[in-house]
Amino acid sequence: QKEVEQDPGPLSVPEGAIVSLNCTYSNSAFQYFMWYRQYSRKGPELLMYTYSSGNKEDGRFTAQVDKSSKYISLFIRDSQPSDSATYLCAMNTRLAGTASKLTFGTGTRLQVTL
Amino acid sequence: SAVISQKPSRDICQRGTSLTIQCQVDSQVTMMFWYRQQPGQSLTLIATANQGSEATYESGFVIDKFPISRPNLTFSTLTVSNMSPEDSSIYLCSVAGTSGKEGEQYFGPGTRLTVT
Repeated sequence: QKEVEQDPGPLSVPEGAIVSLNCTYSNSAFQYFMWYRQYSRKGPELLMYTYSSGNKEDGRFTAQVDKSSKYISLFIRDSQPSDSATYLCAMNTRLAGTASKLTFGTGTRLQVTL
Repeated sequence: SAVISQKPSRDICQRGTSLTIQCQVDSQVTMMFWYRQQPGQSLTLIATANQGSEATYESGFVIDKFPISRPNLTFSTLTVSNMSPEDSSIYLCSVAGTSGKEGEQYFGPGTRLTVT
């Protein structure tokens, strides 16, 4: 079993839709949770960074963490064609010597159509 | 966030040869990392490039195959040695953020390697 599971998609939605992207994880030591956006032929770009359970909002993006269920989500409101990209979840622990080691999901490819 | 560049952006190499990938950052950073992104797979950490000392490799990656240099706080190289088609991948360098958030990293644009 992978430590982080993420549906690879592709996920196709019409412009203006609300998008829900999700990851589940098995390692209860994970404490920090991130979402990266990766456009084709580009490096991943940090989008959201969360620590505690609950919601964090930044513009059209909301990151949600449920540590009890080991489940994280990224919601995109009013989706735009420019949101078309691969979204990767990532997480890491607070354990000494491993705090910088990110464990990534495989990424979900999102296509927002006109 | 730091601006990170990588060279080359892409290359096609023959099996048995080696390729050195360069990563340049526009500011001094303590921690630099090298990742591999294979098609349909997660980003996988290869090693942490330590300035002034040997790199720290993750399980499954060895120095003979992926030698790393880190001569200063703004530059690192990753060499993919004795390449085989299985090494075809995107190789990315990243640096730790300076905000103090554990695990916050910023990535370069990647080097797309094809081994024939």
